[in-house]
Amino acid sequence: DAKTTQPNSMESNEEEPVHLPCNHSTISGTDYIHWYRQLPSQGPEYVIHGLTSNVNNRMASLAIAEDRKSSTLILHRATLRDAAVYYCILDYNNNDMRFGAGTRLTVKP
Amino acid sequence: EPEVTQTPSHQVTQMGQEVILRCVPISNHLYFYWYRQILGQKVEFLVSFYNNEISEKSEIFDDQFSVERPDGSNFTLKIRSTKLEDSAMYFCASLYRLGVTDTQYFGPGTRLTVL
Repeated sequence: DAKTTQPNSMESNEEEPVHLPCNHSTISGTDYIHWYRQLPSQGPEYVIHGLTSNVNNRMASLAIAEDRKSSTLILHRATLRDAAVYYCILDYNNNDMRFGAGTRLTVKP
Repeated sequence: EPEVTQTPSHQVTQMGQEVILRCVPISNHLYFYWYRQILGQKVEFLVSFYNNEISEKSEIFDDQFSVERPDGSNFTLKIRSTKLEDSAMYFCASLYRLGVTDTQYFGPGTRLTVL
């Protein structure tokens, strides 16, 4: 399985942007980069995914390095509701998602 | 918005007992999954299910586990003889189709406590 490396935890202030990094140096050419998050006491939920180009949706942006060995999830204005564990996952067909430890994001008011 | 539902929200059982965890996936989805999360640990893939068959399973999914889609709506995970280490949150997920135009949708989980 392609592996990802994320910081264990990060802190942000409310209303400020947050950049959550993920390293995936062994990514294969067919792997998509998926981001999910898990709010406290809830199941994981999809955030965003991409292959090569940067992606934007209503929740976040995904910036992918040109060599695809790293990516960054960008929350443009963190809210208290964004406090969660964020998971970066590599998968080529969205089938068996293998979660790592993720990054626990704390948002301070 | 359609959602995956799971019942019960919390199940307490005695070691050695059988438990069945139930999930109702999103109605037009074709792929179904079970994951578990031991308290304080990462989410672990257990099994994927498509066309009434297991398509993939992890090393955790041993002979004590089984899955079934007994009718057109429910998807169940059975643990035949529970152990203390089976205590965890169990999440069901469903997906409309493989590929990256769709995403997995997760249920809220069932907390299983084995005493």
